[in-house]
Amino acid sequence: QVQLQESGPGLVKPSETLSLTCTVSGGSISSYYWSWIRQPAGKGLEWIGRIYTSGSTNYNPSLKSRVTMSVDTSKNQFSLKLSSVTAADTAVYYCARMDLSGYGMDVWGQGTTVTVSS
Amino acid sequence: QSVLTQPPSASGTPGQRVTISCSGSSSNIGSNYVYWYQQLPGTAPKLLIYRNNQRPSGVPDRFSGSKSGTSASLAISGLRSEDEADYYCAAWDDSLSASMVFGGGTKLTVL
Repeated sequence: QVQLQESGPGLVKPSETLSLTCTVSGGSISSYYWSWIRQPAGKGLEWIGRIYTSGSTNYNPSLKSRVTMSVDTSKNQFSLKLSSVTAADTAVYYCARMDLSGYGMDVWGQGTTVTVSS
Repeated sequence: QSVLTQPPSASGTPGQRVTISCSGSSSNIGSNYVYWYQQLPGTAPKLLIYRNNQRPSGVPDRFSGSKSGTSASLAISGLRSEDEADYYCAAWDDSLSASMVFGGGTKLTVL
């Protein structure tokens, strides 16, 4: 079955760019939307955005100016970049596959904790 | 605060039926499918209900979803201790900048 694994630095300095990659195994990355979601400690889920394998994207309006998503079908990976980070961006970051409708997230990674601190 | 509104907490005793509400607007729940996610402590969320009332393979039929107008509900019957978790509703929002929106989450306690 399809599995997702997030990877990237666990510590990022304020004002720098957070970069994460999600590796898809057990299936093809093609023909699906792929999402990033985050969750600050003790708080709820926040959708960051999604990318289709063609490169088409939708971003959360509140983060749009700082978010860039990309996909590398040759590596079965997709990535997130969040620029100009602050402490408010400290969270567990999840990657997820969106189902064939493009709206439900049916496979999730285990999540990776990113802390923004100097 | 969250675009979709959920009660912060709910509770029930084993065997009871509990419902969790999710309120939105015409641009999200009113015009799109609702999804429900279960997050057990320390784990990633899991898709529980899709397209308002459909259960993915492996989800017990104790869990059911419904939608009416701009509101939706998740019902759990025959409550079990392992149902203690956080539950989130979600829907696509068709406003100016189309995006997915979540409810703030409901912590379900099994007494």
